[in-house]
This record gives sequence, structure tokens and C-alpha cells, in this order.
Amino acid sequence: DIQMTQSPSSLSASVGDRVTITCRASQTISNYLNWYQQKPGKAPKLLIYAASSLQSGVPSRFSGSGSGTDFTLTISSLQPEDFATYYCQQSYSTPWTFGQGTKVEIK
Amino acid sequence: QVQLQESGPGLVKPSETLSLSCTVSGGSISSYYWSWIRQPAGKGLEWIGRIYSSGSTNFNPSLNSRVTMSVDTSKNQFSLRLSSVTAADTAVYYCARDGHDGVDVWGQGTTVTVSS
Repeated sequence: DIQMTQSPSSLSASVGDRVTITCRASQTISNYLNWYQQKPGKAPKLLIYAASSLQSGVPSRFSGSGSGTDFTLTISSLQPEDFATYYCQQSYSTPWTFGQGTKVEIK
Repeated sequence: QVQLQESGPGLVKPSETLSLSCTVSGGSISSYYWSWIRQPAGKGLEWIGRIYSSGSTNFNPSLNSRVTMSVDTSKNQFSLRLSSVTAADTAVYYCARDGHDGVDVWGQGTTVTVSS
């Protein structure tokens, strides 16, 4: 299985801050990397697919980059509704695997 | 807009079989993969497996021997069966559409508790 490692596991930030979350794959996955946002008690929501493509309806303050083994999710200006847990997921080979999550909390 | 709804027992006894169904509305079940993903309370996401509308499947090797999936295109439904459950199988179970680019549609999730 491909292992996905996110960092940090949690972070505290203020509204308006630029936030960066990284995800590393245990082997190359090309650009088969997706990012999800999950709020408490809710299902995850797809934000970014294929490493850098914005899912329809997702605000442009979210962006993704990377290829191979190292990937980044950036929120350019953190909004109150962005406080949540974020997961990366590889769709290069089954079994699909997720990172352990990054919880973004209010400072 | 495609919507998914999980259904099934919320309580299953140890050693028995967990059975869940997912109904797809607002679109056809054809020509997509459909996944089951679970999340223990306070923990991360685990992909259980997926089924294509034709019936072909891929499972997580960690659960492979205990998992079966089926699809009923006439009812726009797909199902999960997980045998010989233990407390470690207690989780929120999500059904989801495994799109060409990411898991793009999710059900609301259903909590399954394994307890006698």
C-alpha cells in the first residue's frame, strides 16, 4: 500500500492567514492526489483533484500543487468557514489511502 | 445533482455480518465506480473497497477476506457486507462515488456500532 503522510497534524491560524499543508507519498504517484475538507459530523468534501485542479464550486482561495511524492494544499486567506480537518488521498493505485489529517483550528 | 443515502442496521453483534446499502438518486449508477469508506470516531478515513456498475470490484487487502460488494442497477443501489465483525469495525460508514478524479460525491454517513 502507498502510505500518505501529512504535516502538520494540526495548526492554529487566524482569519486572513495563509495556510499551507503538505502531503508526502511513500512512492511516486504522479499527480494522482486529491484533497478533502471535513467538518465535524459531516462527510468529507472534495476540494482539489489531480493535485492542482479545483473542484467545481470550491472557492479560489484553495489551491494545490505538487507531483511525484510531495504535494501542498494552500489556503491563501483563511476564512471562518475553513476551520476543519483536511485530508490528502492518493488515487494512483488501489487501495486508495488517505493521510492522517490536518486539523486547522482558530488561533 | 447526484445524492447518496446509506441504510442499514446501526448495531451489529460481534462475529456477525454488517450489511449496508446505498441508494443513488439524481443520476444513474452506470459507468461509475462506487466506494465504501469508513471512519472510526475521532480517527482518519479508511477506504474499504469499490464496485463498478458492471459488478467488478477492488477491495482493501486489509479487509479483503471479509468484504463483499454487490450492485443492483435496476434499483440504483449498491451494497456492502462485512463479515465476522469486531469492535474494531465500529465506525461511520460512507458510501461515495469514486469519480474519474477523486471521490466526488459522498453520502451523509451512517454509524455502525459492533456490540453485544
